[in-house]
Amino acid sequence: DTGVSQDPRHKITKRGQNVTFRCDPISEHNRLYWYRQTLGQGPEFLTYFQNEAQLEKSRLLSDRFSAERPKGSFSTLEIQRTEQGDSAMYLCASSLQGALRYGYTFGSGTRLTVV
Amino acid sequence: GENVEQHPSTLSVQEGDSAVIKCTYSDSASNYFPWYKQELGKGPQLIIDIRSNVGEKKDQRIAVTLNKTAKHFSLHITETQPEDSAVYFCAASYTGGFKTIFGAGTRLFVKA
Repeated sequence: DTGVSQDPRHKITKRGQNVTFRCDPISEHNRLYWYRQTLGQGPEFLTYFQNEAQLEKSRLLSDRFSAERPKGSFSTLEIQRTEQGDSAMYLCASSLQGALRYGYTFGSGTRLTVV
Repeated sequence: GENVEQHPSTLSVQEGDSAVIKCTYSDSASNYFPWYKQELGKGPQLIIDIRSNVGEKKDQRIAVTLNKTAKHFSLHITETQPEDSAVYFCAASYTGGFKTIFGAGTRLFVKA
C-alpha cells in the first residue's frame, strides 16, 4: 500500500466554478477525514466518514460543500460555486478504528486556488 | 470551544542544540496527543504520540511529556539536524470520538 493518495495535487479555478477532489485512503482503514489547511495554520476538521457513512460535518462545511464515500473506499469532496475564501490546502486522512495508534495518515493534499 | 494553543510559532536553533515546543489544550476529555511534522508540499506526518495515562514517551531523539492536570504537553527534539527543519503541529483528540484539534504550528529552522 502506498499510503493516502489525493488527486489532483493542485487546482486553479475561477470563482463560481465547481471543483471535485478525490482521496484514496489506505485500503484497510475504515475511517476517512477531510481537513482544510490555510497558510500558517493547522489543519481544521471538515468532515468524517466511518466506512461509507458520513458521521459528522463541521460548521465550516457550508451548503456548497459535499463529500461522499461510496462503498466505503475512496472519497470525493466537491465545492460548488467556489469563492476566493475557499483557497486552501484540502487534506485527506485515514485511520483504522481500534488500532493501537489513533493518529492519522495524511495524504499530500490538494491545493486549491480560486482566482 | 475546543482549542489547542502552540508556542512558539517560529523556532530557530543551531544544529546539535535541543528544541522544545509547548502546547496547551482546553478539552478535559482529550486523552490522545499526537505530534505531526509537515515538510514543504507534503501532508502532516505522525512522528510520535502519547496517551493520557502516560506522562512521558521517548523515541530516539524525540520525546513528549504530558501534564494532564495543567493540560500542557511538549515536544522535545535533541541533537537537532538540518533535516528536522519543518513545521510541527501538536494536536489533541478523544479516542472515543473522531475529531482532532490541531495547534497553529511551529516552524523549526535548524541552522547548520
